[in-house]
Amino acid sequence: GAGVSQSPSNKVTEKGKDVELRCDPISGHTALYWYRQSLGQGLEFLIYFQGNSAPDKSGLPSDRFSAERTGGSVSTLTIQRTQQEDSAVYLCASSFAGVSNEQFFGPGTRLTVL
Amino acid sequence: GQSLEQPSEVTAVEGAIVQINCTYQTSGFYGLSWYQQHDGGAPTFLSYNALDGLEETGRFSSFLSRSDSYGYLLLQELQMKDSASYFCAVRDQPRGGYSTLTFGKGTMLLVSP
Repeated sequence: GAGVSQSPSNKVTEKGKDVELRCDPISGHTALYWYRQSLGQGLEFLIYFQGNSAPDKSGLPSDRFSAERTGGSVSTLTIQRTQQEDSAVYLCASSFAGVSNEQFFGPGTRLTVL
Repeated sequence: GQSLEQPSEVTAVEGAIVQINCTYQTSGFYGLSWYQQHDGGAPTFLSYNALDGLEETGRFSSFLSRSDSYGYLLLQELQMKDSASYFCAVRDQPRGGYSTLTFGKGTMLLVSP
């Protein structure tokens, strides 16, 4: 596709359930990033993949959060045993290799935990 | 760690010029970016400064002073469509040629007629 896509666009779940959020990066982008944005807040870095290297998980808020990237392309962010404080917009971004600092963002998944 | 400070809100009228400031405290600095986000939309890249000075792109310009740990985004000839949130972001230490971004909390710009 022309841009980064994410699915679902909206997800409502009950506290304690697991959720999976999907990100399809721009074709050819080797770096992929996940961020979380709470209402009226900035973007909080969660995790970063670059090529086949081990991901940088330094931003994951707890061990309930995990992510994987299959085949160097599609990524899935999984939140286990969701809590109400997990409610936020989860944004995925991708970028080219090399010195480019520009990250291309998807439209996000709005997660609501009841 | 990294911390960034920017005003929470700025208001201006159409046709005016507005400056959004960003100060940062970082353990390492490799560049300052600016992103625009319309309500409910995805952030989009505006500019990047790695060196001191002014970078101009159309109506938008971005400035960096590394010695002052300070940058700003300058928007000229404001239009209603410029109403959005603007985020500054510091590029973290590169590892393997890539780096992550640490974002400020954003400045909401309201442009009135």
